[in-house]
Amino acid sequence: GAGVSQSPSNKVTEKGKDVELRCDPISGHTALYWYRQSLGQGLEFLIYFQGNSAPDKSGLPSDRFSAERTGGSVSTLTIQRTQQEDSAVYLCASSLYTGAITDTQYFGPGTRLTVL
Amino acid sequence: KNQVEQSPQSLIILEGKNCTLQCNYTVSPFSNLRWYKQDTGRGPVSLTIMTFSENTKSNGRYTATLDADTKQSSLHITASQLSDSASYICVVSGRAAGNKLTFGGGTRVLVKP
Repeated sequence: GAGVSQSPSNKVTEKGKDVELRCDPISGHTALYWYRQSLGQGLEFLIYFQGNSAPDKSGLPSDRFSAERTGGSVSTLTIQRTQQEDSAVYLCASSLYTGAITDTQYFGPGTRLTVL
Repeated sequence: KNQVEQSPQSLIILEGKNCTLQCNYTVSPFSNLRWYKQDTGRGPVSLTIMTFSENTKSNGRYTATLDADTKQSSLHITASQLSDSASYICVVSGRAAGNKLTFGGGTRVLVKP
């Protein structure tokens, strides 16, 4: 079956431009997560969606970052007025969220964002 | 602050040799610990998941251990292969809403022929 897909795989933009990154989770997965992985750094949690609940935005680094999840499926992460420090790989993950403590997150391939 | 620290940062080993990666964490209350393998340019893939009551879990040539008392875990790779070259990330989940994960910085393993 299809895994988590993300698009685009690479995005180069100029400082100050807005970008939108897309994530298609595994069908039937109710939980969706966005992470950021900067060069040489670990993964950083950004935002979490679970069903119809209000998203957990506690990891968003600034108000230039926002995310939506329409229809409980596809999600878009938007970065406004991009800065060079936004350059990173943005990873999306989804899970069934069965409530089990061993619920597994499945990761997409990521979008590599480069801000010039 | 919840933290996960891994060592070494990087490791070079010869094909066929064994190696052990370390993970220390301060996440509390603890729920589970996972080891992920991340190939260059790809998303992480889960290798093992261990809960508080488990102290060892194997997946092929990968064996993870957990000491929840000392908050330490290790990942042992047996008879390494060239395809084991990747980053190995230790991820700890606390018993909080949202199943959020705290990620270690990873250990980069390079297996040479």
